[in-house]
Amino acid sequence: AQSVTQPDIHITVSEGASLELRCNYSYGATPYLFWYVQSPGQGLQLLLKYFSGDTLVQGIKGFEAEFKRSQSSFNLRKPSVHWSDAAEYFCAVDNQAGTALIFGKGTTLSVSS
Amino acid sequence: DTEVTQTPKHLVMGMTNKKSLKCEQHMGHRAMYWYKQKAKKPPELMFVYSYEKLSINESVPSRFSPECPNSSLLNLHLHALQPEDSALYLCASSQAQGGDYGYTFGSGTRLTVV
Repeated sequence: AQSVTQPDIHITVSEGASLELRCNYSYGATPYLFWYVQSPGQGLQLLLKYFSGDTLVQGIKGFEAEFKRSQSSFNLRKPSVHWSDAAEYFCAVDNQAGTALIFGKGTTLSVSS
Repeated sequence: DTEVTQTPKHLVMGMTNKKSLKCEQHMGHRAMYWYKQKAKKPPELMFVYSYEKLSINESVPSRFSPECPNSSLLNLHLHALQPEDSALYLCASSQAQGGDYGYTFGSGTRLTVV
């Protein structure tokens, strides 16, 4: 069965510093990959998604992610973090087999001033 | 309309109560999903409906009973819940099950069982 791993439970970044959140997936073929953000008490907001084509994907709020098939990774990046980026970030995979979206355990991002 | 609307936003119910959660979308999506999210945890899939038929049931206890009366509406009927069922219940929809369509999530119903 497919799975997605987010190795970092909690990351703290200084405001203005760059950010990279890691995501690894386990699946035989190329899955559909997603990054979501969730603020406390809120629903899920889609940051970006990868289905096929260009492996560097641009999303909202200045985020981007790069799909690397050789490393089974889909890491999320942002060049300069803002305090409002503090939230929970979930990587998710859809295995194209008609199941549904499966989430990683999430990474909590804290932003220090 | 590009939204998934969930009502109510908050619900407090006793263990003997019967209540329902509602999810509605008018995007013409034919797949709809219920997820349960406990605090500090990722969303966990509960049910999937495809073309108004139950497609996936992730071994959810029978005290949770989904219903899809039409292609725009998905309900989750609750009966005899336990305090550990307190969670954020998220509804999502996609154009169809599988495929490169993406998912749209509602803002959730925060359920507290007392």
